[in-house]
Amino acid sequence: DAGVIQSPRHEVTEMGQEVTLRCKPISGHNSLFWYRQTMMRGLELLIYFNNNVPIDDSGMPEDRFSAKMPNASFSTLKIQPSEPRDSAVYFCASSSIAGGPVNEQFFGPGTRLTVL
Amino acid sequence: AQSVAQPEDQVNVAEGNPLTVKCTYSVSGNPYLFWYVQYPNRGLQFLLKYITGDNLVKGSYGFEAEFNKSQTSFHLKKPSALVSDSALYFCAVRVNTGGFKTIFGAGTRLFVKA
Repeated sequence: DAGVIQSPRHEVTEMGQEVTLRCKPISGHNSLFWYRQTMMRGLELLIYFNNNVPIDDSGMPEDRFSAKMPNASFSTLKIQPSEPRDSAVYFCASSSIAGGPVNEQFFGPGTRLTVL
Repeated sequence: AQSVAQPEDQVNVAEGNPLTVKCTYSVSGNPYLFWYVQYPNRGLQFLLKYITGDNLVKGSYGFEAEFNKSQTSFHLKKPSALVSDSALYFCAVRVNTGGFKTIFGAGTRLFVKA
């Protein structure tokens, strides 16, 4: 299994531009999570999906952020317009919800976003 | 509020010595507790978990953790540290919010000196 796949691995953009981050979860996993990691704020949960349905988006910082999961094998996190304070490493993770809360999450390698 | 605390930003230990990385939690209901490790420029990797049963849980790379209900703690331990154990360690708890989301601690950076 290739694990959780994220693209791009690095993104450098200018303030005001739209940024789209992509994630392919592990096949068979039906729960998907988007996190943001910074030195100042640590690891923050932005949003998570169960069976492609958003369950909790309370961590999405503002309306500039949106996430979709059109099918079980693909999710996007979009920032529009981007700002320098959005610079961070964004992680996608997936897990199985079979059995409830007992399953660990598998993390992708992350996308390092720099907004100039 | 449901939360996880890692009271130490950093832990320093000499190679060959035992190590402990501390974690305390506050949840309503049964706790589902996890430890993850993050190496530089990598995503988090699962180490071990406590769901129910034996309070001492064994995981990857020789790590273990002890669940203590009365102290609401889940400390990570290893009898003999390796330089390669140097990394960022996260304690986490899964909580029921309609689905099951994971709350992560702030992380503890472990330095193992040769």
